[in-house]
Amino acid sequence: DIQMTQSPSSLSASVGDRVTITCQASQDIRNYLNWFQQKPGKAPKLVIYDASHLQTGVPSRFSGSGSGTDFTFTISSLQSEDIATYYCQQFENLPLTFGGGTKVEI
Amino acid sequence: EVQLVESGGGLVKPGGSLRLSCEASGFPFSTYSMNWIRQAPGKGLEWVSSISTRSKYIYYADSVKGRFTISRDNAKNSLYLQMNSLGVEDTAIYYCAAQGDTPIPWGQGTLVTVSS
Repeated sequence: DIQMTQSPSSLSASVGDRVTITCQASQDIRNYLNWFQQKPGKAPKLVIYDASHLQTGVPSRFSGSGSGTDFTFTISSLQSEDIATYYCQQFENLPLTFGGGTKVEI
Repeated sequence: EVQLVESGGGLVKPGGSLRLSCEASGFPFSTYSMNWIRQAPGKGLEWVSSISTRSKYIYYADSVKGRFTISRDNAKNSLYLQMNSLGVEDTAIYYCAAQGDTPIPWGQGTLVTVSS
């Protein structure tokens, strides 16, 4: 199974800050990586697909980069509505596997 | 509207069974592989099972193998998960997720609670 190591597990930032989350795969997953946002009591919402593509309707302050084993998710200017837990997910191989999540707080 | 809607969750006693459904709309369901993913209370996301477009390839997590059965009906744009011999460790929100050419938003999930 492909292990996804996500860091940090939590972070605290201020409105307007740049926030960066990393995800490392245990083997090459090319660009088969998604990033999800999950707010309390809600379903995960796809934010970035194929490592760097912004899902329709998602604000442009969100971005993703990377390929192979190392990936980065960035919020360029944190807003209060971005408070959530973020997960990376690989879909190169089954089983689909997820990072442990990053809880973003203000 | 592109949509996945899960149903069929509920409260069941240990050892019991449930059948979850996921109804798809707004995209060519038959061309997408489908997955069930679950999230236990306060925990992360766990893949449960996958099924290919024509049901030829089916995979399960070790934790559910032999107890859960995934299936689909492309004519009805529907995905199913038959869950037998349920244990407390199966308590979770179950989401269906589509995998194909275009990203498809996940549904809201259906809650399965296994408790005596």
